[in-house]
Amino acid sequence: ETGVTQSPTHLIKTRGQQVTLRCSSQSGHNTVSWYQQALGQGPQFIFQYYREEENGRGNFPPRFSGLQFPNYSSELNVNALELDDSALYLCASSFGGGMNTEAFFGQGTRLTVV
Amino acid sequence: AQSVTQLGSHVSVSEGALVLLRCNYSSSVPPYLFWYVQYPNQGLQLLLKYTSAATLVKGINGFEAEFKKSETSFHLTKPSAHMSDAAEYFCAVSGSFGNEKLTFGTGTRLTIIP
Repeated sequence: ETGVTQSPTHLIKTRGQQVTLRCSSQSGHNTVSWYQQALGQGPQFIFQYYREEENGRGNFPPRFSGLQFPNYSSELNVNALELDDSALYLCASSFGGGMNTEAFFGQGTRLTVV
Repeated sequence: AQSVTQLGSHVSVSEGALVLLRCNYSSSVPPYLFWYVQYPNQGLQLLLKYTSAATLVKGINGFEAEFKKSETSFHLTKPSAHMSDAAEYFCAVSGSFGNEKLTFGTGTRLTIIP
C-alpha cells in the first residue's frame, strides 16, 4: 500500500464523451504526476502538478487537462474521448517535485473507450 | 532528450537461476535511473534508484543494479529467482534536476519456470 488512491478503478466510456479521473496523494506530498500506460507499453508522462500549478507537460493534446486542489489531490480530465485513449492511467505523488525523492504510484484507473 | 531501451520484452528463467534484465539509457545530462516492478492489475512499485551516489545500487526483494557510464547501462540483477518475481519490470530515467518527468522503457515481462 502506497497511500495513493485512485478512483474509479475501472471505467467504460463512449467515444466523444468526457471523463474525470481522481487521485488522492500520499499524506505530506505536494506533487502529483499523471501517466498513461497503453496495453503492452511503458507509462507515458502526461503532466505534473506542484502546489496547484502545472509543472511540466508531456506530448499530449490540450483535451487532456488537470487540476490540483489545496489538499494536493488531483484530477485528470479528458475531453472528446478517442478509442486510443483506452489505457491504464496512473498517478504518482511525491514531495517537492524532485526525482531525488521517491514517487509513489497508485493502482491506476483502467479506462476503456468504446 | 532522455530515453531508455529495454532489451528483451520477455525473459524466462528457472526458479533459483540468475535474473538479468537489461536497460540502456540515453541522456544529455547526468541521469537519475530507476527500476520499477508492476504486478498484474497493479500500479508501479519502486525497486531501486540511482542518483549519482554509489554505482552499485541495492533495492528491495534482493534486486540490485549497476550504473555503468561507459556502457550507458543500468541492468537489473537478482542472484536467485523466486516464483514471486514474475511480473513486468520497467526501467526509467529522469534528469538530474528537480521536477523532472520519468521516461519509461517498454518493459520486460519476467516469467519464472518452476
